[in-house]
Amino acid sequence: AQSVTQLDSHVSVSEGTPVLLRCNYSSSYSPSLFWYVQHPNKGLQLLLKYTSAATLVKGINGFEAEFKKSETSFHLTKPSAHMSDAAEYFCVVSEVQGAQKLVFGQGTRLTINP
Amino acid sequence: GAVVSQHPSRVICKSGTSVKIECRSLDFQATTMFWYRQFPKQSLMLMATSNEGSKATYEQGVEKDKFLINHASLTLSTLTVTSAHPEDSSFYICSASPLQEIYTFGSGTRLTVV
Repeated sequence: AQSVTQLDSHVSVSEGTPVLLRCNYSSSYSPSLFWYVQHPNKGLQLLLKYTSAATLVKGINGFEAEFKKSETSFHLTKPSAHMSDAAEYFCVVSEVQGAQKLVFGQGTRLTINP
Repeated sequence: GAVVSQHPSRVICKSGTSVKIECRSLDFQATTMFWYRQFPKQSLMLMATSNEGSKATYEQGVEKDKFLINHASLTLSTLTVTSAHPEDSSFYICSASPLQEIYTFGSGTRLTVV
């Protein structure tokens, strides 16, 4: 069975500094991995996804993530944080085979300090 | 792009009454939709998978008789919380997959049972 662990429940950075949100996964199959962002009382917006193509994935709003199979990691990064990046971020895994079920990490709340 | 519309965004109901939440795929057909529940400051938990023209598949621990799901057409799934109680208060989010490995989420419904 798949599982996702987001290593930090809360990350706080200053505006203009780099962002790193950490995610480790466990999957029985070749996984598809996603990062979603959720602003308060809103639905989820897809930032980026990995589906067995290039290991470095570029997403929207300057975010990117690198799939490292040897480390079973899929960390999310951004070179320079913006105030509008403050939100909840979820790392998600789905099975390529079988049902289209998504398993969500616990979430990381990103706070941006002025 | 593919849009999932969820309605209502907020609802307050009295304990013992039932509430219906609608999830519509606006520009694509969805034979399968997914219903999630999110408690405050927690992650999303899959409740059930809604299948057009057939019975929904519920996750372990989710009461079928409490959370009624109907997927009568290729663009509409509904979740009815029956005999609601304060512990049913939560944020409910639906999702559909317009393309393989693409998941689009509704904006969510905040249910408060008083």
